[in-house]
Amino acid sequence: SQQGEEDPQALSIQEGENATMNCSYKTSINNLQWYRQNSGRGLVHLILIRSNEREKHSGRLRVTLDTSKKSSSLLITASRAADTASYFCATDDPYSGAGSYQLTFGKGTKLSVIP
Amino acid sequence: NAGVMQNPRHLVRRRGQEARLRCSPVKGHSHVYWYRQLPEEGLKFMVYLQKENIIDESGMPKERFSAEFPKEGPSILRIQQVVRGDSAAYFCASSPSGQYDYEQYFGPGTRLTVT
Repeated sequence: SQQGEEDPQALSIQEGENATMNCSYKTSINNLQWYRQNSGRGLVHLILIRSNEREKHSGRLRVTLDTSKKSSSLLITASRAADTASYFCATDDPYSGAGSYQLTFGKGTKLSVIP
Repeated sequence: NAGVMQNPRHLVRRRGQEARLRCSPVKGHSHVYWYRQLPEEGLKFMVYLQKENIIDESGMPKERFSAEFPKEGPSILRIQQVVRGDSAAYFCASSPSGQYDYEQYFGPGTRLTVT
């Protein structure tokens, strides 16, 4: 089954630095989404990028998608301590027969931003 | 705007008891999804429901687990005769449509602990 795999598993940076997380997946997608999860909390939707899009911005977030390499990256610029969280990519799989609503999540990247 | 509501937030059950987890979707959303998250793992799809219908339960264990989304009231995930391995965070998400280009809005989760 398809799975998004985030890389690195953990990332520790100083406040003000940029953080880059990567996600790889295995099969074709309709879209890819990034979520944030603070420790012990629910998921917060960050960005949805469609398969025909290459880059998307939202505030300090920049997401790229390379469907030829089946990979995506999430860049957080000028990081803040409040960005400390786990970040997950989630993909659908329109050709699996499971329905494109069924999101598949990776294990996430744990980002720590040190003040 | 009320987001997805889940209750209880924390639930402790002894082995063999029943657990009932509730989810109220975003107002106006008629599509509900349940996911399970084990420690240090990503979310795993369990079941997709529309009002009064189970659309896809391919991710749900065949025994002891059931889900419903009645015409009135919240969606319920029911786990009978719980075992220690059921300990996890259970997240509910909703969307206005089951189509791929709608993001899923997640609730804060119910953390089930089986003692």
